[in-house]
Amino acid sequence: EAQVTQNPRYLITVTGKKLTVTCSQNMNHEYMSWYRQDPGLGLRQIYYSMNVEVTDKGDVPEGYKVSRKEKRNFPLILESPSPNQTSLYFCASSLLPPGQNQQYFGPGTRLTVL
Amino acid sequence: ELKVEQNPLFLSMQEGKNYTIYCNYSTTSDRLYWYRQDPGKSLESLFVLLSNGAVKQEGRLMASLDTKARLSTLHITAAVHDLSATYFCPPYGGSQGNLIFGKGTKLSVKP
Repeated sequence: EAQVTQNPRYLITVTGKKLTVTCSQNMNHEYMSWYRQDPGLGLRQIYYSMNVEVTDKGDVPEGYKVSRKEKRNFPLILESPSPNQTSLYFCASSLLPPGQNQQYFGPGTRLTVL
Repeated sequence: ELKVEQNPLFLSMQEGKNYTIYCNYSTTSDRLYWYRQDPGKSLESLFVLLSNGAVKQEGRLMASLDTKARLSTLHITAAVHDLSATYFCPPYGGSQGNLIFGKGTKLSVKP
């Protein structure tokens, strides 16, 4: 079954404690993205990747890092989380650039930073 | 900068009624997507509209795109409770190939 998986699905942490949210897709997609969703703001892109070792900033990259060492995986790293990063995070993948075809979204990771 | 405005943001309607959600975007884009999100869930792709005048229909939902007016509509026919969800209409952002999401329209269909 074609899918995008994220782990963990729920995470409560404290300010400054480094964390990683994993994202994996099994569709051999070139393009992967991270979004955050906040009430009343829709989804905003954090980072995206066009292929292995190729990443670029989205609209709200501050406080986040990503890596793309393998095609299937695109982890989101918060080196020093802060309460304003409390949000619902989605990973997405697509065969072509996100605007050129359908994106497949993961189930989401709800992060709370205390 | 491409921005998206959906109207209305909240919609409460009765089962069996018809209604239209409007999606305006601020700059030129030649394609637009409609997604559905159930509470606490991920986003599900509904329609991909790839050109001016494109119309897609699936069940009780019909989406259209007017690129000249920078407007897409999602028409709901004879609403049922299962359509209750939040609907997003991101157009293609262009510069880095990303989608630009608005705030979404939260639809609640009541018996």
